[in-house]
Amino acid sequence: SAVISQKPSRDICQRGTSLTIQCQVDSQVTMMFWYRQQPGQSLTLIATANQGSEATYESGFVIDKFPISRPNLTFSTLTVSNMSPEDSSIYLCSAGRAGTGTDTQYFGPGTRLTVL
Amino acid sequence: SQKIEQNSEALNIQEGKTATLTCNYTNYSPAYLQWYRQDPGRGPVFLLLIRENEKEKRKERLKVTFDTTLKQSLFHITASQPADSATYLCALHTGGFKTIFGAGTRLFVKA
Repeated sequence: SAVISQKPSRDICQRGTSLTIQCQVDSQVTMMFWYRQQPGQSLTLIATANQGSEATYESGFVIDKFPISRPNLTFSTLTVSNMSPEDSSIYLCSAGRAGTGTDTQYFGPGTRLTVL
Repeated sequence: SQKIEQNSEALNIQEGKTATLTCNYTNYSPAYLQWYRQDPGRGPVFLLLIRENEKEKRKERLKVTFDTTLKQSLFHITASQPADSATYLCALHTGGFKTIFGAGTRLFVKA
């Protein structure tokens, strides 16, 4: 398993500003992901964070809005840029290990973002 | 497109009873399916994985079934306890390292 921490745990931001969320894993992992979850909704995958290269974004999400970094095997950041109230959500980091035969993921506690 | 359906209505049961949650999916044949538990304010926690060639999987008081013909998985918690109250998410493996999550079913176990 893997223990994942996220910072900040929550934040209230003004429209038009940006927030960077950090994700730290306690052991080396192959895969790291960023999800968004609205209350009562399913998790929506934003992107896969690739070490040393550009993240792979899902349909509907773009790098200019959600730039992601992954400088090594245990750390990643997600920035929510030029925020609007529609970006209010819980952002979750997850990690997994490829080559284990399954895509079981371990999740961080999430960052609750409110945009005013 | 691939779709996962979980009962959006909360499930209320009495302590000691068996809780049964349903996950239905369409337009896909996953190699395996997973169940996660999510508590308020926390990220999901992996519980069980069942492969397409397995009919049933057990772990302590948890049991998962997987019917690829019906495209359905059932998740059972026997001898339920108030501490089992949480949201339970079904997740489908869709290839590579891609997973699609259902919206989850909220379970309340009353003492």
